[in-house]
Amino acid sequence: DGGITQSPKYLFRKEGQNVTLSCEQNLNHDAMYWYRQDPGQGLRLIYYSQIVNDFQKGDIAEGYSVSREKKESFPLTVTSAQKNPTAFYLCASSPPDRGSAGELFFGEGSRLTVL
Amino acid sequence: AQSVTQLDSQVPVFEEAPVELRCNYSSSVSVYLFWYVQYPNQGLQLLLKYLSGSTLVKGINGFEAEFNKSQTSFHLRKPSVHISDTAEYFCAVSEDTGGFKTIFGAGTRLFVKA
Repeated sequence: DGGITQSPKYLFRKEGQNVTLSCEQNLNHDAMYWYRQDPGQGLRLIYYSQIVNDFQKGDIAEGYSVSREKKESFPLTVTSAQKNPTAFYLCASSPPDRGSAGELFFGEGSRLTVL
Repeated sequence: AQSVTQLDSQVPVFEEAPVELRCNYSSSVSVYLFWYVQYPNQGLQLLLKYLSGSTLVKGINGFEAEFNKSQTSFHLRKPSVHISDTAEYFCAVSEDTGGFKTIFGAGTRLFVKA
């Protein structure tokens, strides 16, 4: 079955450590996204990529980095510069046809807790 | 700039009662509208979407939404809810800026009571 796989589902980190969240899709989608979810704030866009080897900052990119070396993969690194990294992180992708109008397909999420 | 406002953060309702979850948006260009549902500790899944055409859109699990351009609203309704509808619901707006960028509302937690 096609879908988006995020790992790990739960992750604990000590302050000052970088961590990388994995996102893999086998939907053949060109566009991929990372969102951060905090209670009562909805989803906020961190980074997005519309094509391999290209990505753009979203609304809250500070303290995060991404790469897009393969169409299927869009890993997110939460760096020690991110002041409040404890959150639920969601990866999504979007079909290439313009008729989809940006409909998003989501992974199951990764919950990061900083100790 | 785009924005999405979900007017209720929580909506408690009894089983088999009707429910309406409200969503208003603002945008300077044509937009596409979506409702997504999220069950605890899971990702989001699409309930329904409005792209063009009929303003009444039907989705999965018996939900429907009506696009009202003059009031810039896209309220979600269900005539009779089940316990299993307990979840968080997100209204979202997508703009075509070359690629698509989606903005989400803060979410409405629907709690269905027996």
